[in-house]
Amino acid sequence: DAGVTQSPTHLIKTRGQQVTLRCSPKSGHDTVSWYQQALGQGPQFIFQYYEEEERQRGNFPDRFSGHQFPNYSSELNVNALLLGDSALYLCASSLEGMYQPQHFGDGTRLSIL
Amino acid sequence: QQPVQSPQAVILREGEDAVINCSSSKALYSVHWYRQKHGEAPVFLMILLKGGEQKGHEKISASFNEKKQQSSLYLTASQLSYSGTYFCGTEFSNAGGTSYGKLTFGQGTILTVHP
Repeated sequence: DAGVTQSPTHLIKTRGQQVTLRCSPKSGHDTVSWYQQALGQGPQFIFQYYEEEERQRGNFPDRFSGHQFPNYSSELNVNALLLGDSALYLCASSLEGMYQPQHFGDGTRLSIL
Repeated sequence: QQPVQSPQAVILREGEDAVINCSSSKALYSVHWYRQKHGEAPVFLMILLKGGEQKGHEKISASFNEKKQQSSLYLTASQLSYSGTYFCGTEFSNAGGTSYGKLTFGQGTILTVHP
C-alpha cells in the first residue's frame, strides 16, 4: 500500500523564479493538504484541496496556488520566489470528513538562492 | 492562533516517563499528535476529540481536557525509538462549524531518549 509520495525530493531555485511541487496521495484518500515547515518550526497550513477545489486556506499570499487532479493528486505552485520561501514543503492526504488523520509525505526541500 | 507546547525539550533515559502538553487559547475541536524524526515526515500517532476522550497506542497515550482546552501526551517506559520532535496539531471550533482538516501546529517538543 503506497503512502504519500512527493516529488522532487530537493530543489534549488533563485529569487523571482517559479516552482511546481507534486504530490500523490495515499491510496484511497481524496483530500490533500499542503504545509510549509521552516527549520525548527511546526508545519504551517497552506491550503487544502477536495474534489478539485481549494476548500481551506492558511495565511499565505496569492503567490502560492495549487491544483488537484481527478485522480486526487495535487500540485503546489509558488511564483516570484523569495528567500523566505526556503523550507520543507509537506503534502498530507486524508479521507474527507471529520476526525480524519492526515498522513504526510517525506516532503520537498526547497532552497532559494 | 498557534497552540503552545510544553516543555520545549525533554531528555530521558530508557524506561523513564514523560508528559508533553498542548494548550490553546481558542476552543478546540480535535487534537492530532505527530512524531517527526530528523529528516523524515511527521508520523501520525493519534487523534483526540473534544469530550475528554483518552486514547492509547502501546505505551503512548493522550488525553483531551475540553475545559482547559488542553491535550497531554503520555509516554511511558520510553524507548530509544521514541526520540524525535512531537507536534500537536489542532482543529479549531468556530461559529460556522469547524475548520476541520486545517491543522494548526505547535512549535514542537524535542524528546531525546538516552540508553
